[in-house]
Amino acid sequence: DAGVTQSPTHLIKTRGQQVTLRCSPKSGHDTVSWYQQALGQGPQFIFQYYEEEERQRGNFPDRFSGHQFPNYSSELNVNALLLGDSALYLCASSSLQGTGELFFGEGSRLTVL
Amino acid sequence: AQSVTQPDIHITVSEGASLELRCNYSYGATPYLFWYVQSPGQGLQLLLKYFSGDTLVQGIKGFEAEFKRSQSSFNLRKPSVHWSDAAEYFCAVGGGGGADGLTFGKGTHLIIQP
Repeated sequence: DAGVTQSPTHLIKTRGQQVTLRCSPKSGHDTVSWYQQALGQGPQFIFQYYEEEERQRGNFPDRFSGHQFPNYSSELNVNALLLGDSALYLCASSSLQGTGELFFGEGSRLTVL
Repeated sequence: AQSVTQPDIHITVSEGASLELRCNYSYGATPYLFWYVQSPGQGLQLLLKYFSGDTLVQGIKGFEAEFKRSQSSFNLRKPSVHWSDAAEYFCAVGGGGGADGLTFGKGTHLIIQP
């Protein structure tokens, strides 16, 4: 049973560019959440998708957007990249009707130069 | 607004010794509390969670945590640590039956001395 998979694992962008990160949830899960983890910090909640809609959003600007597909996979898009967007982006999947346990992927490490 | 404080940035413990990692939270309603562990280059793994009921919860890898509402704390404990326990530990709080986005603390880095 594959867990949560994320791609790419590492990427480098320059300021002002746009990036798309991808996530496939654990089998049987219908909810995908995205977190940003800056170096030396705890993860910060960006948003959560359920039934292809943004269900909940953290305190992140509109430059951060997402999408969930019918197969429950998800994308995180960040526009107009800033140096401060450099971080590990973690995807977590869960079942909305389940126990609330999040299963995390290993993350996508974004470096903005 | 909800928040989590982990007062200890680093903790060093000798192998075989006991461990306690502190976590204090602020949350306006019934909190759902979690402890996650992150090894270098890895995602986060759930150690244990508290939703309701018994305030002492057991988790994986021999960890346990105690919920104390009066102190707004959810400290993680282990009676005897192993070298493989060296990692970053995060406490988190959420709501919505555990379905809402979580607020994490900044983490405690655990170092195990031989």
